[in-house]
Amino acid sequence: QKEVEQNSGPLSVPEGAIASLNCTYSDRGSQSFFWYRQYSGKSPELIMFIYSNGDKEDGRFTAQLNKASQYVSLLIRDSQPSDSATYLCAVNGDYGQNFVFGPGTRLSVLP
Amino acid sequence: DGGITQSPKYLFRKEGQNVTLSCEQNLNHDAMYWYRQDPGQGLRLIYYSQIVNDFQKGDIAEGYSVSREKKESFPLTVTSAQKNPTAFYLCASSISGSQETQYFGPGTRLLVL
Repeated sequence: QKEVEQNSGPLSVPEGAIASLNCTYSDRGSQSFFWYRQYSGKSPELIMFIYSNGDKEDGRFTAQLNKASQYVSLLIRDSQPSDSATYLCAVNGDYGQNFVFGPGTRLSVLP
Repeated sequence: DGGITQSPKYLFRKEGQNVTLSCEQNLNHDAMYWYRQDPGQGLRLIYYSQIVNDFQKGDIAEGYSVSREKKESFPLTVTSAQKNPTAFYLCASSISGSQETQYFGPGTRLLVL
């Protein structure tokens, strides 16, 4: 059974700080990795995806992937109160397999 | 505007009743998915379809049924066999299956009377 694990939180950071969200996965064959943001009562929205080892930056967001250690992280720089949400990590394997979602980490950015 | 629509936003089910949740997309995506989300938990896959007239069971298909008669539509029926249907139901689509990004509709919240 493939698993994706995240700390449930809440993770609290002050406004302007860097928030670091982590995700580990069990399937070494996993190929693609996604971060979604979900506000309370709303559906998930895609923030970033990453396929290759290393860092990928998009504005205030940086995704980091380390396949050898089987973890993927999301850094949010200059955190804003509007970033307060649950962040879902999703992992996909080879062709024909489906996403496995982690339980999500709840982030709270304090003004 | 391209996107995924789900209806209704809220749905109430009586004991022993079947109810159908609608999901429509105009993104020209081949693959569509249904997930269930319980409070404080991640998404669990109910059914998915990678092509019209074909669909596959996910991890928690018991008590649910789907159809895929049109590329744009993937309705989910919650049958009376699903004993604990109260949850947030999310429909998603992707260009094709496997590794493509999935985009989500706004969701339907199902409550039992």
